[in-house]
Amino acid sequence: EAGVAQSPRYKIIEKRQSVAFWCNPISGHATLYWYQQILGQGPKLLIQFQNNGVVDDSQLPKDRFSAERLKGVDSTLKIQPAKLEDSAVYLCASSQDGNQPQHFGDGTRLSIL
Amino acid sequence: AQKITQTQPGMFVQEKEAVTLDCTYDTSDPSYGLFWYKQPSSGEMIFLIYQGSYDQQNATEGRYSLNFQKARKSANLVISASQLGDSAMYFCAMRESGGSYIPTFGRGTSLIVHP
Repeated sequence: EAGVAQSPRYKIIEKRQSVAFWCNPISGHATLYWYQQILGQGPKLLIQFQNNGVVDDSQLPKDRFSAERLKGVDSTLKIQPAKLEDSAVYLCASSQDGNQPQHFGDGTRLSIL
Repeated sequence: AQKITQTQPGMFVQEKEAVTLDCTYDTSDPSYGLFWYKQPSSGEMIFLIYQGSYDQQNATEGRYSLNFQKARKSANLVISASQLGDSAMYFCAMRESGGSYIPTFGRGTSLIVHP
């Protein structure tokens, strides 16, 4: 089966610009996650979707980050405006449901200048 | 308070030897799951092994086994017969059913396997 697809693989922007990431989960996976992984740390959950509903977004900085999962399949994560501390790898993952192992995409490495 | 603690920032092991990576967790939820993931330098996260809080047996997957000590709240990963390709970051993670299965990751342990 095809894995979790993410794009772009790398992105470099200046602070205060906006950026968007895209994720296509494994077919049939109801649960989709976005993580932020800062260098030297473990992934931090930003938002979790169950189909097209939000299960948890308590760690999403809502003043600048937004995410949607229209039709319960693909998802986009947006940052507007970006800050220097947003430099990180953004990982998307999916699972069949909330209690199954997650399958991760390759991530998007974001650098803010 | 940290929900997942990985106290070893770095570990070294000789090829073909076994190594144990430590993980302790903190939860009051009786129902939870524990996961280990591997992250090579290329960046992808690879699922290795899962242990449910009600599982009676320790989980095993090939060369990976999970030493689950519920009373001590520890879930250590044991890699037997280490290979050079095992060099990577290893993350322990937990999901609590009371928290809608929101996953929490530790800070990771860097494992280097040398010949």
